[in-house]
Amino acid sequence: GAVVSQHPSRVICKSGTSVKIECRSLDFQATTMFWYRQFPKKSLMLMATSNEGSKATYEQGVEKDKFLINHASLTLSTLTVTSAHPEDSSFYICSARDRERNSPLHFGNGTRLTVT
Amino acid sequence: KNEVEQSPQNLTAQEGEFITINCSYSVGISALHWLQQHPGGGIVSLFMLSSGKKKHGRLIATINIQEKHSSLHITASHPRDSAVYICAVRVRPTNTGNQFYFGTGTSLTVIP
Repeated sequence: GAVVSQHPSRVICKSGTSVKIECRSLDFQATTMFWYRQFPKKSLMLMATSNEGSKATYEQGVEKDKFLINHASLTLSTLTVTSAHPEDSSFYICSARDRERNSPLHFGNGTRLTVT
Repeated sequence: KNEVEQSPQNLTAQEGEFITINCSYSVGISALHWLQQHPGGGIVSLFMLSSGKKKHGRLIATINIQEKHSSLHITASHPRDSAVYICAVRVRPTNTGNQFYFGTGTSLTVIP
């Protein structure tokens, strides 16, 4: 089945630094990728929708300059948390949709970010 | 009020029991997803529905578009089914706003 690889699975960084999270579709072309954030004991929150070759669409309340999303190819999207703050500590998950219409979502295993 | 409501929030069952998790939504949707999140955080998409019923192994998902309601059933539950189950809806395309709304999840524990 389709696989989405997310890397790294865990990262610890210091306040003020930037962290990049990668999301790759391994055996299909993902025209659309989604980035989510999950707070402890809470459900997923969609942060942004990333379309290959165009700017990401951010949800209300998500800072574009803080969470930089790049979808440079049909198999790779990256989320960069810039100038990280302890409040950014969270579980970040990506999902990808095949270019075929009505195809299901495939999820990465998530990245646990801890900002100290 | 959340656009997607799930019930119950927590569920404990004995191995072998039949389990039902419910999801109601208040927006127009193009598809509904049932997701399974394991303790480590990884998420698996179980079903994507736009109408009717789907079955995969011991899992059955149904949706009633008119009533804006979906159910996920697990037959002959097993401890390995213990996970958080999340209902997510993809809204019909709009000019602004979210593409997805998520329920808060149902935490299922199946006891041997």
